[in-house]
Amino acid sequence: QSALTQPASVSGSPGQSITISCTGTSSDVGGYNYVSWYQQHPGKAPKLMIYEVSNRPSGVSNRFSGSKSGNTASLTISGLQAEDEADYYCSSYTSSSYVFGTGTKVTVL
Amino acid sequence: QVQLQESGPGLVKPSETLSLTCAVSGYSISSGYYWGWIRQPPGKGLEWIGSIYHSGSTYYNPSLKSRVTISVDTSKNQFSLKLSSVTAADTAVYYCAREAPSAFGHWGQGTLVTVSS
Repeated sequence: QSALTQPASVSGSPGQSITISCTGTSSDVGGYNYVSWYQQHPGKAPKLMIYEVSNRPSGVSNRFSGSKSGNTASLTISGLQAEDEADYYCSSYTSSSYVFGTGTKVTVL
Repeated sequence: QVQLQESGPGLVKPSETLSLTCAVSGYSISSGYYWGWIRQPPGKGLEWIGSIYHSGSTYYNPSLKSRVTISVDTSKNQFSLKLSSVTAADTAVYYCAREAPSAFGHWGQGTLVTVSS
């Protein structure tokens, strides 16, 4: 059960859009519509931002959106804001197991 | 609203058993959902450890399965983690969380457990 692959870092200027990729296999990301995304600020617990590929929990800004194509899922943050600077992790639920991504540090320039 | 709080020793000796408890408030574990444990070594990524249903049904990360036991106490509205034969590689912040399903929607604040003699 290998970790899903994410870019180590992504950056953007305020107001821009950025996309974080999450690559797995047909046994996890590609095989199930159970991809979720988490935002983690330093010293804080992760916060669920997207579940089941593209659904936002109540209270999460609509600037966050998710999608999936084949074995790769993506998180897009539009209208980037300073408060979006954080670590982001994807996760996939497989057959009775969860696997997380390697994590991406988002920097707002 | 549901709140989760981890508790347990912050220091465990190598080869011993790590034991943590997650107290849940604002929601009765008996009402449903799976409840899980996730850990994060310092400066590293997240790793799912395992999850339990109020009935006691469990499923574990295959890489940790031989050392992990998760149990639930519905009378106290809490669930627990035991990880045996710990080494320095088990040093991490341990989080408890509620599954919602296929994702973790509510998290505890996390507790750092250091494995050292």
